[in-house]
Amino acid sequence: GAVVSQHPSWVICKSGTSVKIECRSLDFQATTMFWYRQFPKQSLMLMATSNEGSKATYEQGVEKDKFLINHASLTLSTLTVTSAHPEDSSFYICSARELGVWGGNEQFFGPGTRLTVL
Amino acid sequence: GEDVEQSLFLSVREGDSSVINCTYTDSSSTYLYWYKQEPGAGLQLLTYIFSNMDMKQDQRLTVLLNKKDKHLSLRIADTQTGDSAIYFCAESFNNNDMRFGAGTRLTVKP
Repeated sequence: GAVVSQHPSWVICKSGTSVKIECRSLDFQATTMFWYRQFPKQSLMLMATSNEGSKATYEQGVEKDKFLINHASLTLSTLTVTSAHPEDSSFYICSARELGVWGGNEQFFGPGTRLTVL
Repeated sequence: GEDVEQSLFLSVREGDSSVINCTYTDSSSTYLYWYKQEPGAGLQLLTYIFSNMDMKQDQRLTVLLNKKDKHLSLRIADTQTGDSAIYFCAESFNNNDMRFGAGTRLTVKP
């Protein structure tokens, strides 16, 4: 089946530093990748949608200069949290979509990255 | 508030059936999904149903869809301790947008 990996699985950083999270589709080509943020006991909040080779589309309220997304290839998207602050601490999950035979909207999710900003 | 609503908690005994309910608000949703999230992990797709279907069964899982009431349910037969997790329902209605409920935490007691 389709597998999506994320690296790192967890990261602790100091306030003011930048952190890069990678999302890879391991056995399929992902034309579209999504970045979500999950708060405790809450659902996933879509942050942005990225299509390979083009600029990401950010959801309302998400700062594009703070959360830099690059989707340079069909198997890799990166999320960089710039000048991280404690309020950025969260569980970040990526997903990737491959157009299946049925043309559906199935997204395959990565295992998530827990970011803790001290 | 959430457009997709789920109760937050469900507790069952091992061997019983679990029924997790979800209501959604967008009648134009084309696909409805159930995802499972184990502690510290990402989401695993359990099953999905097209909006033109009423029921889908996959081994121990049965999904029922009532489009009139915009109600989706997931029944897990013979629930096991390994089924303890958070279950999210989600709807999608265009090529990109996917909307999730807040998740139902299922606890299975031995």
